Amino acid sequence: EAQVTQNPRYLITVTGKKLTVTCSQNMNHEYMSWYRQDPGLGLRQIYYSMNVEVTDKGDVPEGYKVSRKEKRNFPLILESPSPNQTSLYFCASSYTSGANVLTFGAGSRLTVL
Amino acid sequence: DQQVKQNSPSLSVQEGRISILNCDYTNSMFDYFLWYKKYPAEGPTFLISISSIKDKNEDGRFTVFLNKSAKHLSLHIVPSQPGDSAVYFCAASEHNFNKFYFGSGTKLNVKP
Repeated sequence: EAQVTQNPRYLITVTGKKLTVTCSQNMNHEYMSWYRQDPGLGLRQIYYSMNVEVTDKGDVPEGYKVSRKEKRNFPLILESPSPNQTSLYFCASSYTSGANVLTFGAGSRLTVL
Repeated sequence: DQQVKQNSPSLSVQEGRISILNCDYTNSMFDYFLWYKKYPAEGPTFLISISSIKDKNEDGRFTVFLNKSAKHLSLHIVPSQPGDSAVYFCAASEHNFNKFYFGSGTKLNVKP
């Protein structure tokens, strides 16, 4: 089944403890992106990647890092999480950066205490 | 400042009637618009889209209308069904599709 898989789906952590949210897609998509969803703000783009080793900032990149060493994986790294990063995170992918339809993962709910 | 806005957080409609969800945008460089539907505990799924060269696109019960002069788009669902109950996000992109901007969502409740 074609899908975007995120892990963990739920995580409670403490301020400053580094964490990584993994994202993997099995559709051979070139383009991948991370979003966070917050009440009243919708989905805001954190980072995106147009292909392996090609990444760029979205609208809210502060406090996050990403890497794209393989086509299928696009992990989101929080080096020193803070409470304002408590959010619902979505990874998405599409065939190319010119494609207009994103396939989303099921989401990862992160709580930083 | 949000470039895509959905000013109605929720909408309740009777089954069989029309649902109209609205979306406004501020960036005149947007030339592609999409609607996504989201159920609880799932990721958003693509519903329908429209290019700025059109003013209407239809797919079964779903129709999206674009009014470029007003920077406004709307999603019509006719007839509405209880399975349509979900959160609907409006999204927009410039021509390169590298960055997508989403509204805050409208929660639609279709009552049987």
